[in-house]
Amino acid sequence: DTAVSQTPKYLVTQMGNDKSIKCEQNLGHDTMYWYKQDSKKFLKIMFSYNNKELIINETVPNRFSPKSPDKAHLNLHINSLELGDSAVYFCASSHPGGGGFIGNTIYFGEGSWLTVV
Amino acid sequence: SQQGEEDPQALSIQEGENATMNCSYKTSINNLQWYRQNSGRGLVHLILIRSNEREKHSGRLRVTLDTSKKSSSLLITASRAADTASYFCAAGHPSTGANSKLTFGKGITLSVRP
Repeated sequence: DTAVSQTPKYLVTQMGNDKSIKCEQNLGHDTMYWYKQDSKKFLKIMFSYNNKELIINETVPNRFSPKSPDKAHLNLHINSLELGDSAVYFCASSHPGGGGFIGNTIYFGEGSWLTVV
Repeated sequence: SQQGEEDPQALSIQEGENATMNCSYKTSINNLQWYRQNSGRGLVHLILIRSNEREKHSGRLRVTLDTSKKSSSLLITASRAADTASYFCAAGHPSTGANSKLTFGKGITLSVRP
């Protein structure tokens, strides 16, 4: 059983298009995330949601809009795609607060490879 | 700003040798975690060490934490070809609840030659 699943795995699209990536987790976690990994493998948090509420928004352009219909789903919609948006986008989930003293483990999906041409 | 910075950026060793990877961070942490990423896959949690701990073991993994130097190291003993992957450290910021987060470094590419 896949714990964190995201679709599509590969996405090639033209500049200016709008696209969405869907994510679902079956771990019963309250917190979900979107991370972006660039070509140099640098992984940066974009958003986190806790129980459908936006908690962290790391100065991501407004063209990126996350939506959480329920705590098991966190989708990412990207408007007016640019070349620089090409990256791997990872959905992840955890119990609240991966960085707190308890240090909750973050569970990642397999990634969505976005290529903007 | 980027928290975890690993070094070396790439490491190539022979099967059976030990692999040591280092991570430095800039601000106070509550915990530090190491993750592994196989090519084309997502990250998988390996081990977590809390800020009041100095060393932790899990199977062939040994992680140390020196909060005075703001550094951590991951040692993989008796490496295997299957250990070939990228390894990331992630610093846990000292906040509580859902606001706390992990900040990842750029990763170390480990190649284990059979």
